[in-house]
Amino acid sequence: EVQLVQSGAEVKKPGESLKISCKGSGYSFTSYWIGWVRQMPGKGLEWMGIIQPGDSDTRYSPSFQGQVTMSADKSISTAYLQWSSLKASDTAMYYCARRSEYWIDGNLLSYYMDVWGKGTTVTVSS
Amino acid sequence: SSELTQDPAVSVALGQTVRITCQGDSLRTSYASWYQQKPGQAPVLVIYGKNNRPSGIPDRFSGSSSGNTASLTITGAQAEDEADYYCKSRDSSVQEVFGGGTKLTVL
Repeated sequence: EVQLVQSGAEVKKPGESLKISCKGSGYSFTSYWIGWVRQMPGKGLEWMGIIQPGDSDTRYSPSFQGQVTMSADKSISTAYLQWSSLKASDTAMYYCARRSEYWIDGNLLSYYMDVWGKGTTVTVSS
Repeated sequence: SSELTQDPAVSVALGQTVRITCQGDSLRTSYASWYQQKPGQAPVLVIYGKNNRPSGIPDRFSGSSSGNTASLTITGAQAEDEADYYCKSRDSSVQEVFGGGTKLTVL
């Protein structure tokens, strides 16, 4: 079974650091990019960025560039999302998802996220 | 602000057909993908590409596209289809972006 298993809920104080994880199984982990998605309480989905676990190439949304760091350890099929200094506004659910490609006649036409983790709740409060 | 625009809320009578739309310039050159999210659950992919359903997604879900608008159509909506629906595509910087989401109510 193809799945992404995320680490458990976290409760942190402002200024603390945090690293959450996303472990893939049931497929070739380095064959797909892994994306991260934020959902703040009561709000919509926000695309944060993606990482290619094979070479750790990363692409960040401008909104999240410099705010978080994505990394991966291909030897254990795990991607990470980390913060060096949390803020209360980082309180949210964070999802990882596998990114697949849609091709027609040799043309890459779109991306889609076909496998999702169950999410990691991050609460930042003093 | 999102570069993909969705109506915040849509309602449909049980068994009727509903169309949820997503507008954005990137949709002229890229297909949207659609995600269903029920309360307390992770999003689930329901449509990708021109009109493709992952295994396990009922065939009452379909997708289409015209110009700068992508649509998700549910033909014969069921009570279990009540959820938030999000489109996703590329934005102007060749990154990816979600629409603001549409809350579907089945009456």
